[in-house]
Amino acid sequence: GAVVSQHPSWVICKSGTSVKIECRSLDFQATTMFWYRQFPKQSLMLMATSNEGSKATYEQGVEKDKFLINHASLTLSTLTVTSAHPEDSSFYICSAREWQGASPLHFGNGTRLTVT
Amino acid sequence: KQEVTQIPAALSVPEGENLVLNCSFTDSAIYNLQWFRQDPGKGLTSLLLIQSSQREQTSGRLNASLDKSSGRSTLYIAASQPGDSATYLCAVIQATNTGNQFYFGTGTSLTVIP
Repeated sequence: GAVVSQHPSWVICKSGTSVKIECRSLDFQATTMFWYRQFPKQSLMLMATSNEGSKATYEQGVEKDKFLINHASLTLSTLTVTSAHPEDSSFYICSAREWQGASPLHFGNGTRLTVT
Repeated sequence: KQEVTQIPAALSVPEGENLVLNCSFTDSAIYNLQWFRQDPGKGLTSLLLIQSSQREQTSGRLNASLDKSSGRSTLYIAASQPGDSATYLCAVIQATNTGNQFYFGTGTSLTVIP
């Protein structure tokens, strides 16, 4: 079946540094990728939707200059958390969709980010 | 590696029908199992969370069951309504040294026809 690889699975960084998270579709081309964030004991929150070759669409309240999303190819999207703060510590998950409509969503296993 | 499968991939039913969505997983050593709903362009909404020691959870018209030994969970929706149309995802949660790890199924796209 379709596989989405998310890397790294966990990362610890210092305040003020930037962290890049990669989301790769291994055996299919993902026209659309989604980035989610989960706070403890809460549901996943959609951060942004990215389509290959175009700018990401951010959800209300998500700072696009802080969470940089690049979807440069049909198999790779990256989320960069810039100038990380401890409050950015969270669980980030990406998902990818092969085509529009009722195409299945394939999820990465998530990245746990801890900012010290 | 945990693998989560959802059947069917898509389902279309007339309004008022009861329906069952299926989720199966390969590794029974789970911490929790959670059912989500995703509406187009929206984030995930948590529907029901079943602890590994529980067999079922109910919320309104929704009932989720868990059979860990056989690696299965079902989501039962009673008296379906057009507003139930969405993609339903199950996620198996396993505890790791670095925190909880989510494994998502590919979802069931549900359409309820008025």
